[in-house]
Amino acid sequence: QQQVKQSPQSLIVQKGGISIINCAYENTAFDYFPWYQQFPGKGPALLIAIRPDVSEKKEGRFTISFNKSAKQFSLHIMDSQPGDSATYFCAASGDSNYKLTFGKGTLLTVNP
Amino acid sequence: DGGITQSPKYLFRKEGQNVTLSCEQNLNHDAMYWYRQDPGQGLRLIYYSQIVNDFQKGDIAEGYSVSREKKESFPLTVTSAQKNPTAFYLCASSWGQGAREQYFGPGTRLTVT
Repeated sequence: QQQVKQSPQSLIVQKGGISIINCAYENTAFDYFPWYQQFPGKGPALLIAIRPDVSEKKEGRFTISFNKSAKQFSLHIMDSQPGDSATYFCAASGDSNYKLTFGKGTLLTVNP
Repeated sequence: DGGITQSPKYLFRKEGQNVTLSCEQNLNHDAMYWYRQDPGQGLRLIYYSQIVNDFQKGDIAEGYSVSREKKESFPLTVTSAQKNPTAFYLCASSWGQGAREQYFGPGTRLTVT
């Protein structure tokens, strides 16, 4: 049972454009929602994370929007750059063991 | 430099052999995790440990075993019972005690033929 659904599977954006990746979750006990960035052959790196007490969090060009009632959250990458080309994973956790449940990932390609 | 080390980066084994993947961290983190990554499947949790000498099964523990004898080390053994062992294996760690941020190592790509 997939508890975090991520879309789209792949995304192509022109340089300078906005990249938007969406995730939906089912478990209402989730209360921590991170996004990870992974380059080929490397381990994922924590990009930005949000908790449900806020609806938006911004760090540089990266913004998480969170909709608790819809059980959805999204990553927006403003002014997308070719160096942003990577696979992005959303995740969620909420039980006392702090296990992360990951989405299946989105392969982002930013064309120059 | 503080971080998580996984070795080797590439590992090749014949079917039927057990193989142990190394994970070491010098971040003084309490919790450590092992994930498996397959193309298009995201990351799936194999085992995790919140404290020395204690660990729990994740979502896909069958065919794997772990130990946590030291705080900084969490080796993963892929046994011959694992039906599809070829994958990219990722180790992660976190402070535990309510800290949710997990930090990943560079991964080990295991190929079994």
